[in-house]
Amino acid sequence: AQTVTQSQPEMSVQEAETVTLSCTYDTSENNYYLFWYKQPPSRQMILVIRQEAYKQQNATENRFSVNFQKAAKSFSLKISDSQLGDTAMYFCALIDFGNEKLTFGTGTRLTIIP
Amino acid sequence: EAGVAQSPRYKIIEKRQSVAFWCNPISGHATLYWYQQILGQGPKLLIQFQNNGVVDDSQLPKDRFSAERLKGVDSTLKIQPAKLEDSAVYLCASSLGAGTSGFTDTQYFGPGTRLTVL
Repeated sequence: AQTVTQSQPEMSVQEAETVTLSCTYDTSENNYYLFWYKQPPSRQMILVIRQEAYKQQNATENRFSVNFQKAAKSFSLKISDSQLGDTAMYFCALIDFGNEKLTFGTGTRLTIIP
Repeated sequence: EAGVAQSPRYKIIEKRQSVAFWCNPISGHATLYWYQQILGQGPKLLIQFQNNGVVDDSQLPKDRFSAERLKGVDSTLKIQPAKLEDSAVYLCASSLGAGTSGFTDTQYFGPGTRLTVL
């Protein structure tokens, strides 16, 4: 069975600083996708970034980038130049070819301090 | 492009009552999902539709939960009768659902319905 683990329940960082959120996962499949979703207090789950397992290059989206370590089954999210609007719950998620169901971690509550 | 729409946004009911949630996916999206998100946890898939057919309902408590997507567009999730442990946010998501491996499609989420069962 696939699992996703987020070991940091809460984090806080000063505005404009860089923060890294950790995620580890487990799957027996070679074909899978990893995601980071952001859920602000308004509850709308928004896709932040997506990584295909077969791609060695780390995905980037503006201030958001990932460090995908396939052998270690690690998928961390780095937010650069953090902004107040980045305050939210962040969920790491995995979907693989065998299960084809999106499995979420328990989330990390990130607070950006002015 | 309009996103996934859900209603109502909030619902408070007594235990043993019935409740229904509505979802309208992004136009053209063939796949629709219902998730349950209990406070402090990540969303858990309840049911997945491909057009108007059920792909996966293995985690749906079928003794009290039901869902339908009759015309392959919008969907309704019903709980009857509700229990205290059903208090959660119910999220609807949709994806394009194109190709033979639809799991590669990104899922887009609606704002959710917060259900409180007293």
